[in-house]
Amino acid sequence: GESVGLHLPTLSVQEGDNSIINCAYSNSASDYFIWYKQESGKGPQFIIDIRSNMDKRQGQRVTVLLNKTVKHLSLQIAATQPGDSAVYFCAEAQRWGSNYKLTFGKGTLLTVNP
Amino acid sequence: DADVTQTPRNRITKTGKRIMLECSQTKGHDRMYWYRQDPGLGLRLIYYSFDVKDINKGEISDGYSVSRQAQAKFSLSLESAIPNQTALYFCATSGGGSYNEQFFGPGTRLTVL
Repeated sequence: GESVGLHLPTLSVQEGDNSIINCAYSNSASDYFIWYKQESGKGPQFIIDIRSNMDKRQGQRVTVLLNKTVKHLSLQIAATQPGDSAVYFCAEAQRWGSNYKLTFGKGTLLTVNP
Repeated sequence: DADVTQTPRNRITKTGKRIMLECSQTKGHDRMYWYRQDPGLGLRLIYYSFDVKDINKGEISDGYSVSRQAQAKFSLSLESAIPNQTALYFCATSGGGSYNEQFFGPGTRLTVL
């Protein structure tokens, strides 16, 4: 769901289950979409990205799906582990001169129960 | 990421004080960024620098200034801190590439009383 005020969307799963984290983006001109993981007390870390001309990309235990029709991005984590507990951000990258501008979503808190 | 360091990691200050947050990187990247993170609001760009001679405002630059002292160093200053600048501040770097993937420092937690 959407976050309101200070409350992050949250997802609680059991260890070993698959997790799906969703993100709605706003700019149909974005060239790339990226997922970041932020553990407590740390900065965001890159997980996986996908170009706008792709629908799916797989990494190690993670899959990103892109639905441009409804401007929706999802991150699937297979066999979720306690170490996956973190806030997950999606970001969209738009061309900005010679650089790219990243616009971040508000984040989803994933809690993995042992 | 140990390649991007920020000092201090935590700081408590009072309204009206001048504060400087520092960022250093050993990744050899030209591009550096300062973001602010507030609960439930994600990351918002304050300033960014493409190289030592290039500094640009982000979406929330009011009340902040920056200095790019060298390729590896990018500092953020709050000239006169106010309570609504209480937040987590992140420095990031990127070195070009397909979309300039950004690498983040560990963050500085700033509290303005």
